[in-house]
Amino acid sequence: AQSVTQLGSHVSVSEGALVLLRCNYSSSVPPYLFWYVQYPNQGLQLLLKYTSAATLVKGINGFEAEFKKSETSFHLTKPSAHMSDAAEYFCAVSALRGYQKVTFGTGTKLQVIP
Amino acid sequence: ETGVTQSPTHLIKTRGQQVTLRCSSQSGHNTVSWYQQALGQGPQFIFQYYREEENGRGNFPPRFSGLQFPNYSSELNVNALELDDSALYLCASSSNTGGPMNEQFFGPGTRLTVL
Repeated sequence: AQSVTQLGSHVSVSEGALVLLRCNYSSSVPPYLFWYVQYPNQGLQLLLKYTSAATLVKGINGFEAEFKKSETSFHLTKPSAHMSDAAEYFCAVSALRGYQKVTFGTGTKLQVIP
Repeated sequence: ETGVTQSPTHLIKTRGQQVTLRCSSQSGHNTVSWYQQALGQGPQFIFQYYREEENGRGNFPPRFSGLQFPNYSSELNVNALELDDSALYLCASSSNTGGPMNEQFFGPGTRLTVL
């Protein structure tokens, strides 16, 4: 079974500051890990995914995440926050193989302060 | 290339009624997954359809059922609606080749309100 825990349901940063959204995973098999973004009244958009290749994954909109097996973490970062980054972010996990069930965390709402 | 579309956008029903939500998968995708996202929560996996067969199910009662059609579009049916069924229902399509998981592309969702 797989699960993810997102630390902090709300995070506020100033425009131009570092964004750090935390995610820890639990998986009995090698995982696929994802970060999705959801803007108000919209579906989910994939930011990036870890698929057992490089541990540092670069995604869209300047986001990146690092897979750390020893810490069972997959934190999302962006060096400089932009107002347009204000949204809800979901960490998710799936088994490396098998049917494609994705288990999501509870989400972190990012507020960017001008 | 057309993305994942869902209909209707919004729906209001009363307790005990039945509802059908529809999803058109992205061109070339043979797998559709349905998720329920309650307010303030992450999406919860309902079930997945692959080549017209249910391919996996989350912790949802049998009154949640689905179909996938030969063109890979899909329906989610919910019988005997309860107040707690009020949520955003998301459909995601992907291409299942039997190997490592491929990316799921999400539709905009259907907002269901049960009164």
